[in-house]
Amino acid sequence: EAEVAQSPRYKITEKSQAVAFWCDPISGHATLYWYRQILGQGPELLVQFQDESVVDDSQLPKDRFSAERLKGVDSTLKIQPAELGDSAMYLCASSLAKGLAGMSYNEQFFGPGTRLTVL
Amino acid sequence: AQRVTQPEKLLSVFKGAPVELKCNYSYSGSPELFWYVQYSRQRLQLLLRHISRESIKGFTADLNKGETSFHLKKPFAQEEDSAMYYCALNTNAGKSTFGDGTTLTVKP
Repeated sequence: EAEVAQSPRYKITEKSQAVAFWCDPISGHATLYWYRQILGQGPELLVQFQDESVVDDSQLPKDRFSAERLKGVDSTLKIQPAELGDSAMYLCASSLAKGLAGMSYNEQFFGPGTRLTVL
Repeated sequence: AQRVTQPEKLLSVFKGAPVELKCNYSYSGSPELFWYVQYSRQRLQLLLRHISRESIKGFTADLNKGETSFHLKKPFAQEEDSAMYYCALNTNAGKSTFGDGTTLTVKP
């Protein structure tokens, strides 16, 4: 069964360093999401792609975070420089996106996440 | 802006008892509502969606637009239902918002 892949699974870094996370969505899924999940809270959407285009990045701290999905397939989320408050789980999800009229294909399939610790 | 509220952080019931996990939302448009579940050491996965009006693992959820709620219910809880449950809303534009989750513990 196809799954969303993420790497690395764990990342420990020092503040002011740069970190990058990678996500490979399920083949054929047009929509890709990056979430940040702080302990005790629900996933917070950082950026949403439709194919290679950003459709929502209103919650992405653009002074330090960047995301790309150059060929509309896999995606990279980067933080530079990392801050202590960035310690969290970073989740990637993908969905087929809206399909036939009357049907919804917005079910999101999640990856295992990357646990980031900033020291 | 849309918002999803799950008022209970923790919910504990005994096996065989009914369970209801509450979800309230605010959104001016026509929402698409989901329940996602995360079992221990597993990834987040879809449990059910309002558009399908289905019952999954004995769970049901009805969208009440008047009360802006999408509560998750099961008449007889099982120990394997112990997990983290998240209510999520998609806007007309496809933007996704999650609640902060409810940890359900079903005691033997």
